[in-house]
Amino acid sequence: QSALTQPASVSGSPGQSITISCTGTSSDVGGYNYVSWYQQRPGKAPKLMIYDVGSRPSGVSNRFSGSKSGNTASLTISGLQAEDEADYYCSSYTSSSTLYVFGTGTKVTVL
Amino acid sequence: QVQLVESGGGVVQPGRSLRLSCAASGFTFSSYALHWVRQAPGKGLEWVAVISYDEINKYYADSVRGRFTISRDNSKNTLYLQMSSLRAEDSAVYYCARDSSIAVAGTFDPWGQGTLVTVSS
Repeated sequence: QSALTQPASVSGSPGQSITISCTGTSSDVGGYNYVSWYQQRPGKAPKLMIYDVGSRPSGVSNRFSGSKSGNTASLTISGLQAEDEADYYCSSYTSSSTLYVFGTGTKVTVL
Repeated sequence: QVQLVESGGGVVQPGRSLRLSCAASGFTFSSYALHWVRQAPGKGLEWVAVISYDEINKYYADSVRGRFTISRDNSKNTLYLQMSSLRAEDSAVYYCARDSSIAVAGTFDPWGQGTLVTVSS
């Protein structure tokens, strides 16, 4: 099971919107609505930001939103802030023998 | 508050064994599936294993199947990962994480702070 494909880096200015893509296959992202997104700051544990494609946990800013089209899921951060600078990972349930797969990770830089 | 605290990491020689623990608090431990996820230094996240709330179902990543064993003690609110035949490529920070979805869909929330395992001679 290969990792889901994410861009290595995405950047934006404060206040702008950015979108991170997460591309898989019909065996994972495209086949299930079990895509989630995690934020990881340096030296810290990941934090859940989006689950089930587009649901937001309590306490997560509504500037974060998720969607999916075919085999590609997306995380959009609107009104970009300095505190959003971190690594972001998608994950998906998969029908392969390895039940869960993560994306390659995207470093978000706020210019 | 919901908390997961890992322990048991350290330096171990290739081929040897190590057991990690994850102590949970702040929620009904016996109601949730739990995962181990690892992250090699400077690398991305890799799912390792999951155990159902009742310990009946256990699943592993291809990379660790047959070498790692996940278990739990619901009376002690503790999750374990027994690692054997360790290899250099098993070196990573190991996180435990609760699956907060009813369907065990891989909604990892929350995560522990992680424990570092280094496999080296």
